[in-house]
Amino acid sequence: GAGVSQSPSNKVTEKGKDVELRCDPISGHTALYWYRQRLGQGLEFLIYFQGNSAPDKSGLPSDRFSAERTGESVSTLTIQRTQQEDSAVYLCASSLANRVVDTIYFGEGSWLTVV
Amino acid sequence: AQSVSQHNHHVILSEAASLELGCNYSYGGTVNLFWYVQYPGQHLQLLLKYFSGDPLVKGIKGFEAEFIKSKFSFNLRKPSVQWSDTAEYFCAVNAVGGYNKLIFGAGTRLAVHP
Repeated sequence: GAGVSQSPSNKVTEKGKDVELRCDPISGHTALYWYRQRLGQGLEFLIYFQGNSAPDKSGLPSDRFSAERTGESVSTLTIQRTQQEDSAVYLCASSLANRVVDTIYFGEGSWLTVV
Repeated sequence: AQSVSQHNHHVILSEAASLELGCNYSYGGTVNLFWYVQYPGQHLQLLLKYFSGDPLVKGIKGFEAEFIKSKFSFNLRKPSVQWSDTAEYFCAVNAVGGYNKLIFGAGTRLAVHP
């Protein structure tokens, strides 16, 4: 597609439920990132995938958070047993990957509200 | 660990006023530096970036930023803002050799009044 696509765009879930957020990166982009943006705050790095390398999971806030990526395409961010503090916009981004940072393209985000 | 500090959380200006948004980072090594902008209802877009060379970087829409290594700063400037510049601005840093992980500041919300 032309840009990074995320779904759902909005999700309201009850506390304790699991949610899955999906990201389709730009075709040909081997690097994929997940960020979280809480209301009034900056972007918080969550996880980074680069090709077949082991992902950088250093930003995942707890073991309730996990992410997978199928090859160099779709990624899914899963939040188990959601809590109210998980309410945020979850942003996915992708880039052509090498050691020098290429322009990172962001999706429009998935707005998660935990009630 | 890298971190980015943006000094102003909210800035309000009148059209034609000059703009400077502060950004400082903490990392002792070589860095790549970025400013991203998020217009209301839109996704994040790259405004400008610094990798090496001339520390004064020109970006889109008349924005520029100056990398001052001794001050660990990368302030964003525009001589004359327009109403359409109303947006949230994020500074970000990447440690060279640290893969592509970008660390963002908390953002500065700019409101420009006509």
